[in-house]
Amino acid sequence: EDQVTQSPEALRLQEGESSSLNCSYTVSGLRGLFWYRQDPGKGPEFLFTLYSAGEEKEKERLKATLTKKESFLHITAPKPEDSATYLCAVQAEETSYDKVIFGPGTSLSVIP
Amino acid sequence: DAGITQSPRYKITETGRQVTLMCHQTWSHSYMFWYRQDLGHGLRLIYYSAAADITDKGEVPDGYVVSRSKTENFPLTLESATRSQTSVYFCASRAPDSSYNSPLHFGNGTRLTVT
Repeated sequence: EDQVTQSPEALRLQEGESSSLNCSYTVSGLRGLFWYRQDPGKGPEFLFTLYSAGEEKEKERLKATLTKKESFLHITAPKPEDSATYLCAVQAEETSYDKVIFGPGTSLSVIP
Repeated sequence: DAGITQSPRYKITETGRQVTLMCHQTWSHSYMFWYRQDLGHGLRLIYYSAAADITDKGEVPDGYVVSRSKTENFPLTLESATRSQTSVYFCASRAPDSSYNSPLHFGNGTRLTVT
């Protein structure tokens, strides 16, 4: 069964304390892996798409990496405005319909 | 402003009542989706539409009905609301892409409470 898990469920960091969020997936075939940011009361906002193992994408203090079974979202020197829930999603190879599977998310709190 | 607008933002209804959640997008994206978000489950696909008059079931379609007569609108109807349908509902759209890898663009959700 296709599945996406994320760890940790919640993460509390001091401002400037770098860390990583994990997304592990099992799908029959991967078309793409997405990272989204979700603020309270808002819809998810797209951050990155990764297509193949070894690929990396960067945006400000965020860097996403991809292996054959997992992806990491590295946060370097986070600021309080980085506090949000980070969602991972995978686009599976599916012939019957367009299928995106979301993980449960990691809630990040960055304390000043 | 361009984007996806969902209405209402909050809705309280009683068990057994019919309720419709509205979704409107200004990008003319062909693909539109309805998700529900619940603690412990993440986002789950209810229904999706590849174009006007083309809809199909997602992971959790029971108790929901959709229609898409115009490209820009994709309403979701709960025919007879149940407490288990208390959730936050998100509408999303996606531009057509031959590789199906273009990201989803989400509205800000409707928080539905069924009493």
